[in-house]
Amino acid sequence: EVQLVESGGGLVKPGGSLRLSCAASGFTFSSYDMHWVRQVTGKRLEWVSAIGTAGDTYYPDSVKGRFTISRENAKNSLYLQMNSLRDGDTAVYYCARGRGYSSDWYSFEYWGQGTLVTVSS
Amino acid sequence: DIQMTQSPSSLSASVGDRVTITCRASQGIRVDLGWYQQKPGKAPQRLIYGASNLQSGVPSRFSGSGSGTEFTLTISSLQPEDFATYFCLQHNNYPITFGQGTRLEIK
Repeated sequence: EVQLVESGGGLVKPGGSLRLSCAASGFTFSSYDMHWVRQVTGKRLEWVSAIGTAGDTYYPDSVKGRFTISRENAKNSLYLQMNSLRDGDTAVYYCARGRGYSSDWYSFEYWGQGTLVTVSS
Repeated sequence: DIQMTQSPSSLSASVGDRVTITCRASQGIRVDLGWYQQKPGKAPQRLIYGASNLQSGVPSRFSGSGSGTEFTLTISSLQPEDFATYFCLQHNNYPITFGQGTRLEIK
């Protein structure tokens, strides 16, 4: 059974930092791209970052230069280092499994339950 | 960036009704689109992948169609457990983008 479990969320002051983790199990982690997606309550989901199997990374302009995605295949783990946090970064953050084995059919098939990040003074 | 315009933003319907939700992409995305259901406080659940392929375990009353820029999700006969929020996701190109969601409510 595929499982994705996020952790590391919490309350942080504007300008602060936080590191999210996503523990993966039930699949060959190293063979899949991985993503972070966030959602402000009641709002549209927003893609935050992606990392390919070769370690290539992708970000939207809204977080580029502030957020860093990384992975540790030996530990089946995905990370998101978030720096210079702003009020607008307050959201539930989900990790999601992406493309695998050169197939887009796997993209965003599985999601974790999310971890809440609150940026507030 | 590819903009995904989803309609309607909300919908009231009754058990047994047929409903259709539409997503329009600002440029062609082939069939690189998924449909998802989300209930309050829960993670999204994929219903459709590749625009028209039914996710394993999802009831056959859900179906998807379209390619290029126009996509639809149809629920053929609404069941009580279907009242939720639905959204589309395009993964043709970075940045990945989402429709704004359709809140399906009981009439």
